[in-house]
Amino acid sequence: DTAVSQTPKYLVTQMGNDKSIKCEQNLGHDTMYWYKQDSKKFLKIMFSYNNKELIINETVPNRFSPKSPDKAHLNLHINSLELGDSAVYFCASSQVAGGADTQYFGPGTRLTVL
Amino acid sequence: QKEVEQNSGPLSVPEGAIASLNCTYSDRGSQSFFWYRQYSGKSPELIMFIYSNGDKEDGRFTAQLNKASQYVSLLIRDSQPSDSATYLCAVNMGAGNMLTFGGGTRLMVKP
Repeated sequence: DTAVSQTPKYLVTQMGNDKSIKCEQNLGHDTMYWYKQDSKKFLKIMFSYNNKELIINETVPNRFSPKSPDKAHLNLHINSLELGDSAVYFCASSQVAGGADTQYFGPGTRLTVL
Repeated sequence: QKEVEQNSGPLSVPEGAIASLNCTYSDRGSQSFFWYRQYSGKSPELIMFIYSNGDKEDGRFTAQLNKASQYVSLLIRDSQPSDSATYLCAVNMGAGNMLTFGGGTRLMVKP
């Protein structure tokens, strides 16, 4: 009964390939997110998705595209993978509670591009 | 550019002491502030949030916010070795409730 789950946990692939990471939340939250955490442990927002409204961090290359089949799922598709895409990708979801929009993170997907 | 700054540490404290973690942010209009704990190889885990000036206590944790100084801190009382982790400060700065994270402070609590 994991609240926010991601698959796969590890992903190793070659440069130039296209890959997807899946995220599901069973918390009933309205908003979902994708974050990237690089080797220096800096956690950066990539996307926010709420009721089909997508907000993109302007620094994210257009090779990255989120896809949401329904409110409980937000997948991340990456085209033409590059070495610099190697990182841990975290999915999160949130709901306003107690006056703040608190976010809960999934376990992460470690992507290695060779 | 909107930023959140933290001292990367490591901050080393003896068991039982108070650990003080600090964070500054650039966007004066920010309203919500969060502290997350991240163990090595794990995902960030929410500790607490604060949105009003002053102190907010939750068990051994106290968050302090000073909007005039654009400063938020986390105090951990009676520090335990299990508190050893990286502590991430996050601020709601952008559209869509997106959080901007600081680089984290690594805390080491020595027995």
